[in-house]
Amino acid sequence: QVQLQESGPGLVKPSQTLSLTCAVSGASISRGSYFWSWIRQPAGKGLEWIGRISTSGNTNYNPSLKSRVTLSLDTSKNQISLKLSSVTAADTAIYHCARDTSFPMLRGVISSFDFWGQGTMVTVSS
Amino acid sequence: DIQMTQSPSSLSAAVGDRVTITCRASQSIDNYLNWYQQKSRKAPKLLIYGASTLLSGVPSRFSGSGSGTDFTLTISSLQPEDFATYYCQQSYTAPLYTFGQGTKVEI
Repeated sequence: QVQLQESGPGLVKPSQTLSLTCAVSGASISRGSYFWSWIRQPAGKGLEWIGRISTSGNTNYNPSLKSRVTLSLDTSKNQISLKLSSVTAADTAIYHCARDTSFPMLRGVISSFDFWGQGTMVTVSS
Repeated sequence: DIQMTQSPSSLSAAVGDRVTITCRASQSIDNYLNWYQQKSRKAPKLLIYGASTLLSGVPSRFSGSGSGTDFTLTISSLQPEDFATYYCQQSYTAPLYTFGQGTKVEI
């Protein structure tokens, strides 16, 4: 069973860089046809996809956050890292990591998040 | 970006009720639609992919339908463990994914 666990500081000051890690067990982050995504959830609001990284290190980012986001793999620890720079109060949210898997359909394939971490709360405040 | 709009935002129901949640896309997404269940403070759980295919292990009381812009998630007979928030998510413009705002199912 694949399990994901997010961790990092719960409080970040405005203008600083938010750094989180996602520890993965039950799967290798550098093998298979998967992506590893970060998704956030501001209090009382919906889910927002931040970006993803492939098992070979290729990245895709949400255009709304692209200038501030960096994802990376640490294969020695089987962890995925998220860095979000120049944070403001609008970045306060629960941050989840999730595995992005392709499922076959009658026509084509669909990308779906089949395993998620519980999430870690990050508050941006001075 | 494709906007996903769910309705209602919340609903009250009793055990045994039939519950239907609607998700509308701002443009056609064919059947590139997933449904997730999230219980309080827990990791979201994938229920349905491709608009209507149940993930293995998901109870058969859950079903999904729709194509194009309009989709529904139906719980045929609500069970106590089904009280949760449900989200739709489009993968038509992968990897730029977007989610609905969620529907909270309460007692």
